[in-house]
Amino acid sequence: EPEVTQTPSHQVTQMGQEVILRCVPISNHLYFYWYRQILGQKVEFLVSFYNNEISEKSEIFDDQFSVERPDGSNFTLKIRSTKLEDSAMYFCASSETRGGGTPLHFGNGTRLTVT
Amino acid sequence: GENVEQHPSTLSVQEGDSAVIKCTYSDSASNYFPWYKQELGKRPQLIIDIRSNVGEKKDQRIAVTLNKTAKHFSLHITETQPEDSAVYFCAASDGGGGADGLTFGKGTHLIIQP
Repeated sequence: EPEVTQTPSHQVTQMGQEVILRCVPISNHLYFYWYRQILGQKVEFLVSFYNNEISEKSEIFDDQFSVERPDGSNFTLKIRSTKLEDSAMYFCASSETRGGGTPLHFGNGTRLTVT
Repeated sequence: GENVEQHPSTLSVQEGDSAVIKCTYSDSASNYFPWYKQELGKRPQLIIDIRSNVGEKKDQRIAVTLNKTAKHFSLHITETQPEDSAVYFCAASDGGGGADGLTFGKGTHLIIQP
């Protein structure tokens, strides 16, 4: 069964540094997402991406965040200047059609630790 | 925007008994309600979903019910087994504008006692 893959599985960075989290969505999926889960808390929507542009973003997704699809397979989340409160598990997800009514497939996540 | 409340936060049941997790949502236009199971340190995995044109859906030991009038939906697991132990999240789509993002509940830690 095809899967969403994410790298790295764990990223440690110092406060103020830039990080890039990488994802390879399922190949025939058209919609891509980033979600965040702070340890022990619920999964929170960050952003959705379709047709090479942001489709929707949440309040969490401020100017420090950006997303990009640099080629035909990768989908990246960049945090420009990390803060301690950015420490969380970041999940990439993809779906065949718009996520409002179709199953989302999550990757295994990247655990980001900001020190 | 959508707000999803989930109860209880922790549920402990004896192996073989049933477990019920309940969620309410606020946006009457929401039309898609998935349930995800998340084992420790792993990704959320979809276990069952229901759309607003259906009142109940069943898949082996798992069932979901939806009451649109009351804006609540529930997950039912029968004949629970140790491998059912996990955190379960309900979610709802913000269907008001065909929005993309799912709004999740805070999760229920289900513990199956042997």
